[in-house]
Amino acid sequence: KAGVTQTPRYLIKTRGQQVTLSCSPISGHRSVSWYQQTPGQGLQFLFEYFSETQRNKGNFPGRFSGRQFSNSRSEMNVSTLELGDSALYLCASSLGGSGETQYFGPGTRLLVL
Amino acid sequence: AQTVTQSQPEMSVQEAETVTLSCTYDTSESDYYLFWYKQPPSRQMILVIRQEAYKQQNATENRFSVNFQKAAKSFSLKISDSQLGDAAMYFCAYRFRTGNQFYFGTGTSLTVIP
Repeated sequence: KAGVTQTPRYLIKTRGQQVTLSCSPISGHRSVSWYQQTPGQGLQFLFEYFSETQRNKGNFPGRFSGRQFSNSRSEMNVSTLELGDSALYLCASSLGGSGETQYFGPGTRLLVL
Repeated sequence: AQTVTQSQPEMSVQEAETVTLSCTYDTSESDYYLFWYKQPPSRQMILVIRQEAYKQQNATENRFSVNFQKAAKSFSLKISDSQLGDAAMYFCAYRFRTGNQFYFGTGTSLTVIP
């Protein structure tokens, strides 16, 4: 099976712009979670989508949003980018049942100038 | 608040030796799962090992094993016969049986010395 894929792998944006990141889960996986990883804050949970519905949400401002499509692919959008949004954004997929292991993609590195 | 503490920001081990990475966590839940993930320089998070909290037997996966002490809320990772490819950042994490959110520690950077 192909693993979790994320596109693009690298992005450079300027403050105030918006960005959309994409995540394709492992075939058959219905849950996609997003994490932000920074040196200062570590790995922080953004949100989880399951069957096109947001099932869990972390403590991030409303500038961070996401969605999931019927094929389980997910997108994450960040509007009005700030310098502090520079991070590695990881998505992880799982079957979605209780206790399932999450499998991570390679991440998208976002740099905000 | 759900917290995971990895008290060793950096560790080093000689090739072929054994190293133990520590992890403690704080939760009032009784039903959860524990994980160790490895993140090499490529930044790809890779599952190393997983433990169900209701199982008393410690999980093992080839050279990797855990010491799970539920009462103490401790979940350490032992790497035997360390190899150069084991060099990475190691993250301890847990999730509840219900809900899909992972709570991660701050990571331990492991260096393997040839």
